[in-house]
Amino acid sequence: DVKVTQSSRYLVKRTGEKVFLECVQDMDHENMFWYRQDPGLGLRLIYFSYDVKMKEKGDIPEGYSVSREKKERFSLILESASTNQTSMYLCASSTKRDSPDTQYFGPGTRLTVL
Amino acid sequence: AQSVTQLDSQVPVFEEAPVELRCNYSSSVSVYLFWYVQYPNQGLQLLLKYLSGSTLVKGINGFEAEFNKSQTSFHLRKPSVHISDTAEYFCAVSDHTGKLIFGQGTTLQVKP
Repeated sequence: DVKVTQSSRYLVKRTGEKVFLECVQDMDHENMFWYRQDPGLGLRLIYFSYDVKMKEKGDIPEGYSVSREKKERFSLILESASTNQTSMYLCASSTKRDSPDTQYFGPGTRLTVL
Repeated sequence: AQSVTQLDSQVPVFEEAPVELRCNYSSSVSVYLFWYVQYPNQGLQLLLKYLSGSTLVKGINGFEAEFNKSQTSFHLRKPSVHISDTAEYFCAVSDHTGKLIFGQGTTLQVKP
């Protein structure tokens, strides 16, 4: 079974802090994604990556950055956390580029910014 | 641009009754359609997907969906629901790149 793990289930941070959310997948997938989930809005794509050291902006990249130094790991960075970034963050992976294949999701990190 | 509309935010239904969760999409290119389910405090998992071929797609847990190109719909159905089907359901559309566009989600509440 594909496994996608996220470093924390719950996080509480203060406004202005730098926040790192980590995601690891164990199936040698090329693609990795970061979404945020908010009630009534579904999931919205923040950033994605098709390869190591490669990143592309999704629909809502403002206030976020990402890092992919190794194929299995994809990090989401909030440079200066703000209260409007309080949300559920979901990481996902899928097999290969330019392929409409199943995405496998981690359990999510619920981030609260005070 | 692609988009997905889930017409109902909440669907209450009694146990053993049939259910339909509605999903409409818009796209100017070939589409690939997915339904995901999210149980409380968990990530999303795939229920079923339409990539090509038969327009009636069967998934896990007794769910099925029908791709209707003329009505741009991909409604999810189950003939008899269980309490354990209580969850949030997301419809999503993809183009050839593999990026997903999600609908707003529908909460299915199964009552005893």
